[in-house]
Amino acid sequence: TQLLEQSPQFLSIQEGENLTVYCNSSSVFSSLQWYRQEPGEGPVLLVTVVTGGEVKKLKRLTFQFGDARKDSSLHITAAQPGDTGLYLCAVPHRSSARQLTFGSGTQLTVLP
Amino acid sequence: NAGVTQTPKFQVLKTGQSMTLQCAQDMNHNSMYWYRQDPGMGLRLIYYSASEGTTDKGEVPNGYNVSRLNKREFSLRLESAAPSQTSVYFCASSPVQGQNYGYTFGSGTRLTVV
Repeated sequence: TQLLEQSPQFLSIQEGENLTVYCNSSSVFSSLQWYRQEPGEGPVLLVTVVTGGEVKKLKRLTFQFGDARKDSSLHITAAQPGDTGLYLCAVPHRSSARQLTFGSGTQLTVLP
Repeated sequence: NAGVTQTPKFQVLKTGQSMTLQCAQDMNHNSMYWYRQDPGMGLRLIYYSASEGTTDKGEVPNGYNVSRLNKREFSLRLESAAPSQTSVYFCASSPVQGQNYGYTFGSGTRLTVV
């Protein structure tokens, strides 16, 4: 089984704080995606990174793909209650790029 | 609104009953997928359809069947439900198969088998 580890599993912070969550593996990936899932809804794509060392920004969210393309981080600046949700990373399945393999996610709660 | 529509949103079944989960997308996407989501285990692929007329097994296909009825619709059938199939089921679609194309997900079907 392709192992994709996300940490921390749970994170609860106050509004205005900064945070970083991680997605790690021992495998090399051609690309990596981040999704956010709100309660009662399906995941929504935030970003796709494809180049080692790549950094992408989406408002207060900064995504980085590791130089070796084995890991990724998501940094949120000045978190807001609207950032609350389950953050999932996903990579192409090792045996078939037709499938995405998802990590188990980081559940983020931002308290007002 | 364009997107992926799943029905029903909630369902309770007795062990041994059958049911079909419906999924339709109106984005003209070629590829469609069925995932299940369980606490602590993330999303696991059940079946997928690369294009109309084709279906393939994913990571956890046992106990399920699928039908790609046309380009828009992809259904998931449980022939004889078991408590282990209690889960939240998500349908997704993408324009083409390939790792750089994001998936669009439906809002899910919460299934309880008692």
